[in-house]
Amino acid sequence: AQTVTQSQPEMSVQEAETVTLSCTYDTSENNYYLFWYKQPPSRQMILVIRQEAYKQQNATENRFSVNFQKAAKSFSLKISDSQLGDTAMYFCAFMKLVGGSQGNLIFGKGTKLSVKP
Amino acid sequence: NAGVTQTPKFRILKIGQSMTLQCTQDMNHNYMYWYRQDPGMGLKLIYYSVGAGITDKGEVPNGYNVSRSTTEDFPLRLELAAPSQTSVYFCASSTRQGANEQYFGPGTRLTVT
Repeated sequence: AQTVTQSQPEMSVQEAETVTLSCTYDTSENNYYLFWYKQPPSRQMILVIRQEAYKQQNATENRFSVNFQKAAKSFSLKISDSQLGDTAMYFCAFMKLVGGSQGNLIFGKGTKLSVKP
Repeated sequence: NAGVTQTPKFRILKIGQSMTLQCTQDMNHNYMYWYRQDPGMGLKLIYYSVGAGITDKGEVPNGYNVSRSTTEDFPLRLELAAPSQTSVYFCASSTRQGANEQYFGPGTRLTVT
C-alpha cells in the first residue's frame, strides 16, 4: 500500500521570503503522479502543482516549484516570494494510474503554513 | 458552470439518525469521489464511482452507502450515524483519462452528537 508522509505539521515564513514544504512517499509502483493541494481557511481544495513520475524535469507553476527526487521518494514544494494569500494547509498526494485511467488519491496529513507580514 | 456543489454546508445529527449528503457536478465528469477529513488529518477516500451505475469502496467505507444513477449526481448516505462520523465531507470529480485534476466541492461539516 502507498503512504504519504508530511513531517512538518506547521511552518511559518515572512512575506516575500521562500519556504520549502517536505513530502516523502512509499510505493513499489513505477508509474504514478504526485500533487500538492492547498486548502485555505475557506476549506476549498485547490490544486497547486502536479508532477508525473516519468518526467525528470521538476514541475513549476509561477511562484510554486517542486523538487522531485524519484529514487529518494521525495517531493518537496518550494514557494517563492511568499504572499499573505499563501496561508493555508498544504497537502501532498499520490496517485497511481490504473490501466491509463485515474487511480485514487492518497493524501498526507498536511502542513499548516502561515505567512507573516 | 458551477463545478462541484454539495449540500448541506453544515449539519448536526443525533446518534442513530440517518442522512444523505448531496453532490452534483456539471462538468460531465466520469469519475466522482467522496472523501472525509478528520481534524488535523488529510483526506481519506470513502467511496468512488467511475461512471453511472458503477461504484466501489475506498479506504474507509464502513457506515456509508452510495449510488450513482446519473453522471451528475453522487449522493452519500449515512445510516445510523455515530460520533466517529463527525468530520468534514468532500465530494470531487474528474475526467477519466490520465492523472487529471480532481475538482473538489466546498465540503459539508457534519457533527454527530
